[in-house]
Amino acid sequence: AQSVTQLDSQVPVFEEAPVELRCNYSSSVSVYLFWYVQYPNQGLQLLLKYLSGSTLVKGINGFEAEFNKSQTSFHLRKPSVHISDTAEYFCAVNAGNNRKLIWGLGTSLAVNP
Amino acid sequence: GAVVSQHPSRVICKSGTSVKIECRSLDFQATTMFWYRQFPKKSLMLMATSNEGSKATYEQGVEKDKFLINHASLTLSTLTVTSAHPEDSSFYICSARPGLLYNEQFFGPGTRLTVL
Repeated sequence: AQSVTQLDSQVPVFEEAPVELRCNYSSSVSVYLFWYVQYPNQGLQLLLKYLSGSTLVKGINGFEAEFNKSQTSFHLRKPSVHISDTAEYFCAVNAGNNRKLIWGLGTSLAVNP
Repeated sequence: GAVVSQHPSRVICKSGTSVKIECRSLDFQATTMFWYRQFPKKSLMLMATSNEGSKATYEQGVEKDKFLINHASLTLSTLTVTSAHPEDSSFYICSARPGLLYNEQFFGPGTRLTVL
């Protein structure tokens, strides 16, 4: 069975500092990986996705992630965060024929001035 | 492109009433739609998967008679919470997938349900 682990439930960081949100997955088949952001009281917005090809994926708002098959990871990074990046971030994996998304529990990013 | 809408965005109802939430794919045809429930500060819980023209597939532990799902067309799915109770209060999110082999889902903005 597939699973997703977001290793940090909360990440506090100062504005303009770099940040990494960690995501590990387990799957016995090929996977497609996603990062979503959710601002308070809003729906989900796709940040970036890995379907195939280059393992370094660039997304919106200056975020990027690297797919590491050997370490089964898909960590999200941003070199310099803004106050407006404060939100909940979800990692998700789509694997298998049923194409359901398997979700991590989320990481709450709090950017402080 | 790939926009999904939900209506209403917020609904408050009395205990015992039924509430219908609509999910529409605005610029594509969605063969499959998903309904999720999200508790405060929690991840998304998949409730059911609906394919156009067929019965929805519910996840384990989700009451199909409580949460009625209808996917009557390629652009519309509805979730009806029947005889709602305060414990049904939650954030409900739908997503849509353009085709069976499509690997990405497109999400609606969510519906906040409050049952008094």
